[in-house]
Amino acid sequence: DGGITQSPKYLFRKEGQNVTLSCEQNLNHDAMYWYRQDPGQGLRLIYYSQIVNDFQKGDIAEGYSVSREKKESFPLTVTSAQKNPTAFYLCASSIDRGSNTGELFFGEGSRLTVL
Amino acid sequence: KQEVTQIPAALSVPEGENLVLNCSFTDSAIYNLQWFRQDPGKGLTSLLLIQSSQREQTSGRLNASLDKSSGRSTLYIAASQPGDSATYLCAVRPRSDSWGKLQFGAGTQVVVTP
Repeated sequence: DGGITQSPKYLFRKEGQNVTLSCEQNLNHDAMYWYRQDPGQGLRLIYYSQIVNDFQKGDIAEGYSVSREKKESFPLTVTSAQKNPTAFYLCASSIDRGSNTGELFFGEGSRLTVL
Repeated sequence: KQEVTQIPAALSVPEGENLVLNCSFTDSAIYNLQWFRQDPGKGLTSLLLIQSSQREQTSGRLNASLDKSSGRSTLYIAASQPGDSATYLCAVRPRSDSWGKLQFGAGTQVVVTP
């Protein structure tokens, strides 16, 4: 079955540590995205990537980093510089090519808690 | 900047009643609008996507309409069931940036009581 796989589902981090969240898709989608979701708020875009080896900052990129070395993979690193990293992180992808609709598909999310 | 609003934030209806969920946006220059469902602690599931040239989309008991001139979309769920209980989010893709930066509403939390 095609889809987006995020891991780990739950992650605990001590203050001062960097952590990396994994996102893998087998949908052959070009574009991939990372969103952050906090209670009572809409999703906020952290980073997105349209093609391999290229990515752009979203609205809240400070304290985060990404890489796009393979089409299928778009890992997100939450660095110690992120002031309030406890949140639910969602990875998404879309085709975004030619006449395609640009429909967005999501993974199951990763919940990060800073102790 | 595009602002997306969903009112009410929460809604409770008895089973069998039709659900009407609202999504408002401030800039009518959109590429498309997408409705999602989110269960607690889960990711988002795409329900319907409406392109800017379309007025509505239907899938089973779900129907979504789009009125760009008034900046509104409505999601109708017919004959609601307890399994429809979830948070429903809408997202707008601006025409100026069709590749990224969807703007999401905060969602409407729906409870369908048996």
